[in-house]
Amino acid sequence: GAGVSQSPSNKVTEKGKDVELRCDPISGHTALYWYRQSLGQGLEFLIYFQGNSAPDKSGLPSDRFSAERTGGSVSTLTIQRTQQEDSAVYLCASSLSASSYNEQFFGPGTRLTVL
Amino acid sequence: KNQVEQSPQSLIILEGKNCTLQCNYTVSPFSNLRWYKQDTGRGPVSLTIMTFSENTKSNGRYTATLDADTKQSSLHITASQLSDSASYICVVSVQGYSTLTFGKGTMLLVSP
Repeated sequence: GAGVSQSPSNKVTEKGKDVELRCDPISGHTALYWYRQSLGQGLEFLIYFQGNSAPDKSGLPSDRFSAERTGGSVSTLTIQRTQQEDSAVYLCASSLSASSYNEQFFGPGTRLTVL
Repeated sequence: KNQVEQSPQSLIILEGKNCTLQCNYTVSPFSNLRWYKQDTGRGPVSLTIMTFSENTKSNGRYTATLDADTKQSSLHITASQLSDSASYICVVSVQGYSTLTFGKGTMLLVSP
């Protein structure tokens, strides 16, 4: 019965380091989404998974960003060689399936700060 | 380009008062529109969803309206409470696509 969980809740890193953000979706949800929320901006779509496949990666801002999902469950968003402009809250959401009519349930987010 | 514009950007009201938040969109072809509430430090939570054929939907003290012809939606909050203080985000989806288009949100502060 738990909701979407994300870890860590906060991450402070130095410019140039790699970071991994984790998302545990609601059990049974086949679709998983990653978003980025910068201060004063709306949510920005990054990538979504249907099962372990990523049909739409169009939102990834650069090749430093990648994501994977294994076993149709946990997903990891990796940012390589972090830059200060990567600082934001990274939100994960899951839904029963990748239909626009299915509600997306959001996790609490990971706040990433790149110094 | 699909866009969602919300107004006002921020709003302060007294506890017990009503307020209305606005959303204009240029998403096409339209599938559905949701209003989300996002408390500080939390993920967004869906309040209402409306499809093309629906023009009003209520959830407790929250009532959303949709005018698909003018591509406008509003969220009306009745008898506001301190716990209503949050960001309210209008989200529109496109037919045939799973991804959503988000507005930047209206930050509501309910003051005692």
